[in-house]
Amino acid sequence: EAQVTQNPRYLITVTGKKLTVTCSQNMNHEYMSWYRQDPGLGLRQIYYSMNVEVTDKGDVPEGYKVSRKEKRNFPLILESPSPNQTSLYFCASSYLPSTDTQYFGPGTRLTVL
Amino acid sequence: GESVGLHLPTLSVQEGDNSIINCAYSNSASDYFIWYKQESGKGPQFIIDIRSNMDKRQGQRVTVLLNKTVKHLSLQIAATQPGDSAVYFCAENLDTGFQKLVFGTGTRLLVSP
Repeated sequence: EAQVTQNPRYLITVTGKKLTVTCSQNMNHEYMSWYRQDPGLGLRQIYYSMNVEVTDKGDVPEGYKVSRKEKRNFPLILESPSPNQTSLYFCASSYLPSTDTQYFGPGTRLTVL
Repeated sequence: GESVGLHLPTLSVQEGDNSIINCAYSNSASDYFIWYKQESGKGPQFIIDIRSNMDKRQGQRVTVLLNKTVKHLSLQIAATQPGDSAVYFCAENLDTGFQKLVFGTGTRLLVSP
């Protein structure tokens, strides 16, 4: 089954404790992206990757890092989480270069205390 | 389930009615538009898309209309069913050479049996 998976689905952590949210897709997509979703603000892009070893900042990259060592995986790293990073996070993937549909993962609910 | 928006515009309809969800987009140069459906606790799911060289596209029970003059997009759902209850987002693709989606904040559709 074609899908985007994320882990964990739910995470409660404390300020400053490094964490990683994993994202994996099995569709051989080149383009992958991370979004955060907050009430009243819609989905905002954090980082994206156009291919292996090619990543770039989205609209709200502060406090986040990513890596793309393999085509299928695109982990989101919070080196020192803060309460304002409490949010619902989505990973997405699609083919390049065409304007193709982005497929979203199920989401990760992160709470930073 | 997950809350995607505390103060979203809400459209309440009866089962069997037709629903129309509207979206104003921001960039007159946007060349591709997508409607997504997000059910509680899930990631956004692709419904239908339309390119800027079209003004109407039909799918199964759904129709998207694009009015470039006033930068307006609408999603029509025929014979709305309780399973259609969800938050619906429009997204516009900024013409940057690759997919750069900007999402609206969404409309909550509530369908009563």
